[in-house]
Amino acid sequence: DGGITQSPKYLFRKEGQNVTLSCEQNLNHDAMYWYRQDPGQGLRLIYYSQIVNDFQKGDIAEGYSVSREKKESFPLTVTSAQKNPTAFYLCASSATGGGLETQYFGPGTRLLVL
Amino acid sequence: RKEVEQDPGPFNVPEGATVAFNCTYSNSASQSFFWYRQDCRKEPKLLMSVYSSGNEDGRFTAQLNRASQYISLLIRDSKLSDSATYLCVVNGDGASGTYKYIFGTGTRLKVLA
Repeated sequence: DGGITQSPKYLFRKEGQNVTLSCEQNLNHDAMYWYRQDPGQGLRLIYYSQIVNDFQKGDIAEGYSVSREKKESFPLTVTSAQKNPTAFYLCASSATGGGLETQYFGPGTRLLVL
Repeated sequence: RKEVEQDPGPFNVPEGATVAFNCTYSNSASQSFFWYRQDCRKEPKLLMSVYSSGNEDGRFTAQLNRASQYISLLIRDSKLSDSATYLCVVNGDGASGTYKYIFGTGTRLKVLA
């Protein structure tokens, strides 16, 4: 089955710790995205990548980093600089990065701070 | 004014009722519009894209009104399983070769037995 996978489903972070969220897609999509969702708020864009080895900051990139070394993979690192990381993190992909195609979402990772 | 605005609800309707949601957007240059459904603690899933001529998929009908800058979603013969949050998504302005998808905060629907 084609789709997007995210792991882990739940992640606990200690103060001062960096953690990495995995996102893999086998849809052969060029574009991938990371969003953060907080209760009562819409999805906010953290980073996006339109092609391998290229990515751009979204609206709330501070405290996060990404890489796009392979077409199918777009991991997100939540660094210790992110002071309020507790949220639901969603990875998405679309066929191209033109903003016109449907985005498909992975099942998400819930990050909690201990 | 928010870029994409939705009434958060909740809309509480009995089974079998017809319910409609609107979503307003601020950027007149937006070109793509979507409705997603999100169940509690799950990822958003595409319900339908919204085309200029309007489109229908079973009990669901989506309309686009460019003049007034809103899209609508009509659900007929509501089922208990329709209970969810409905997200309106609009693409951004594409300035400087960039783009983004703008998400509304969602409208919560509860269908009651």
